Amino acid sequence: DIVMTQTPLSSPVTLGQPASISCKSSQSVVHSDGNTFLSWLQQRAGQPPRLLIYQISNRFSGVPDRFSGSGAGTDFTLKISRVEAEDVGVYYCMQATQSPWTFGQGTKVEIK
Amino acid sequence: QVQLVQSGGEVKKPGASVKVSCKASGYTFTSYGISWVRQAPGQGFEWMGWISGYNGNTDYAQKFQGRVTMTTDTSTSTAYMELRSLRSDDTAMYYCTRGWGEWWGQGTLVTVSS
Repeated sequence: DIVMTQTPLSSPVTLGQPASISCKSSQSVVHSDGNTFLSWLQQRAGQPPRLLIYQISNRFSGVPDRFSGSGAGTDFTLKISRVEAEDVGVYYCMQATQSPWTFGQGTKVEIK
Repeated sequence: QVQLVQSGGEVKKPGASVKVSCKASGYTFTSYGISWVRQAPGQGFEWMGWISGYNGNTDYAQKFQGRVTMTTDTSTSTAYMELRSLRSDDTAMYYCTRGWGEWWGQGTLVTVSS
């Protein structure tokens, strides 16, 4: 199975300041069709996950443009350009390139 | 708009089975697969498997092989996940999700307790 490792596990951020989360996979998550099925999910307390970013860098419907994704191969990053109060939650990277899908451990974003 | 509405919470005894439903709306059911993902209390996510909305083909995580069955009813646009021989460590929130994780159900809490 592909292991997804996120850092940091906790990220206290001042409102209006940027935040960055790293996700590294134990092997390449490039699919044989050339796509990279690396997504970022947000989970607020008591809520189901919500897709933010798919295929490394594509914002999903309704996701604010302060969220951006980048990376390639085995190294990926989620950035929040200016953290707002509603961004508090746990963020997960997820690979769906190879079965079984696997997830990072989660990064808790909280306001300092 | 796309919606995945799951069945209500369940309390089961060890050794029992549970069947969770996921009713889809707002899109053509047969055009997307449905995956099932669970989250134990305070923990991360664990993918259980996938079922095609088109032809019912399945791909189960090895951990759940022999203990899980995923099915669909295209007439009602509903996906089902049955987990058998429940243990206390199966206590979790169970989610269905469409396609590559674009849309998620609200979750179904399954509690296994004697």
